[in-house]
Amino acid sequence: SQQGEEDPQALSIQEGENATMNCSYKTSINNLQWYRQNSGRGLVHLILIRSNEREKHSGRLRVTLDTSKKSSSLLITASRAADTASYFCATIGYGQNFVFGPGTRLSVLP
Amino acid sequence: DTAVSQTPKYLVTQMGNDKSIKCEQNLGHDTMYWYKQDSKKFLKIMFSYNNKELIINETVPNRFSPKSPDKAHLNLHINSLELGDSAVYFCASSQERTRDHYEQYFGPGTRLTVT
Repeated sequence: SQQGEEDPQALSIQEGENATMNCSYKTSINNLQWYRQNSGRGLVHLILIRSNEREKHSGRLRVTLDTSKKSSSLLITASRAADTASYFCATIGYGQNFVFGPGTRLSVLP
Repeated sequence: DTAVSQTPKYLVTQMGNDKSIKCEQNLGHDTMYWYKQDSKKFLKIMFSYNNKELIINETVPNRFSPKSPDKAHLNLHINSLELGDSAVYFCASSQERTRDHYEQYFGPGTRLTVT
């Protein structure tokens, strides 16, 4: 079954605003990861949150995980034009594959 | 230094041909992967190799065959190419799949166009 479905599919904001993306999944996970993909490039790992963690920070990124709701959110604060990219969540269950969602396309307008 | 590299970056070929995409990682990781990203940007895992052993083989056509000459390389060979094979193929690597699932490092991708 497909996991890691992001919401919204596309998001446009002004520079300086915060951007929030959500990810939902269906089965138990070991950890959940967020990746960024710039146009024409490979994915770059942003942050990993384990199933026993509820919140994690890295610079301007804040990730939350609610295992009871099977959902995660990625918050980018004080966005910049350089944050324009697609953002993917990936889930990994015990003994299972990585499963990526379809991604959220973020556009940060100057 | 490039961590995960792929060649070629672009590949245009005709239906029915056989082609290979090469991948190399210099991170010392134990596991390597191949993903297919379609036109809607959906990323699907195709294969992974751990210590030269295929441990995941998703439901992909047997025209696709991964080949790993050593831990640092995982090549993808495709026979009898079809129009639906057109996509971007990404190689990735990570540490210790069997124990914990660390972050993956992706190559820049190979855009395959089948005409």
